[in-house]
Amino acid sequence: DQQVKQNSPSLSVQEGRISILNCDYTNSMFDYFLWYKKYPAEGPTFLISISSIKDKNEDGRFTVFLNKSAKHLSLHIVPSQPGDSAVYFCAGTLIQGAQKLVFGQGTRLTINP
Amino acid sequence: DSGVTQTPKHLITATGQRVTLRCSPRSGDLSVYWYQQSLDQGLQFLIQYYNGEERAKGNILERFSAQQFPDLHSELNLSSLELGDSALYFCASSPGWSSYNEQFFGPGTRLTVL
Repeated sequence: DQQVKQNSPSLSVQEGRISILNCDYTNSMFDYFLWYKKYPAEGPTFLISISSIKDKNEDGRFTVFLNKSAKHLSLHIVPSQPGDSAVYFCAGTLIQGAQKLVFGQGTRLTINP
Repeated sequence: DSGVTQTPKHLITATGQRVTLRCSPRSGDLSVYWYQQSLDQGLQFLIQYYNGEERAKGNILERFSAQQFPDLHSELNLSSLELGDSALYFCASSPGWSSYNEQFFGPGTRLTVL
């Protein structure tokens, strides 16, 4: 039962253009969302987060949008740079019972020069 | 470098065996989390310890167990290993117990069960 879904396993974008990574969730008991970025042979690193009471959070080139009614969030990277090539994981904080972080399967982003 | 260390980096073992994975959190962090990442899967939360006590449990099999020691390092024990246990195991740490906080991940231990 995948409660956080990233339906695109991979995405290829030209350098300088916008990258949009999508994430859907099924459980309304998520109240906080985070994006992590992972390079090969390294652990994931935190990128940006958003509370469910907001619809947008921006940090430099990275913006996360949350649409609660659609149970959908997206990460926008503008402009995309070669160093952004990585696997991006969306995660939600589930507040059913003990808090825990539920991750999506990840999207591999490739930025082409 | 996140400040979280995991040993060993790689582990190859046979079915039916038992292994121990070790994690040292960042200095000052009280929470340790364990995750499993199988091929083409996201990270599956296994278990969280906070200051030596179990805080939250995820999809951890009964064959798996963990503990956090007084010096805050943690060990994940995997027993009666099966082929399907082959995966990357990540440890993460954070200062507090809340999953709203950023977690800092180690580089992972790759377990191969033959």
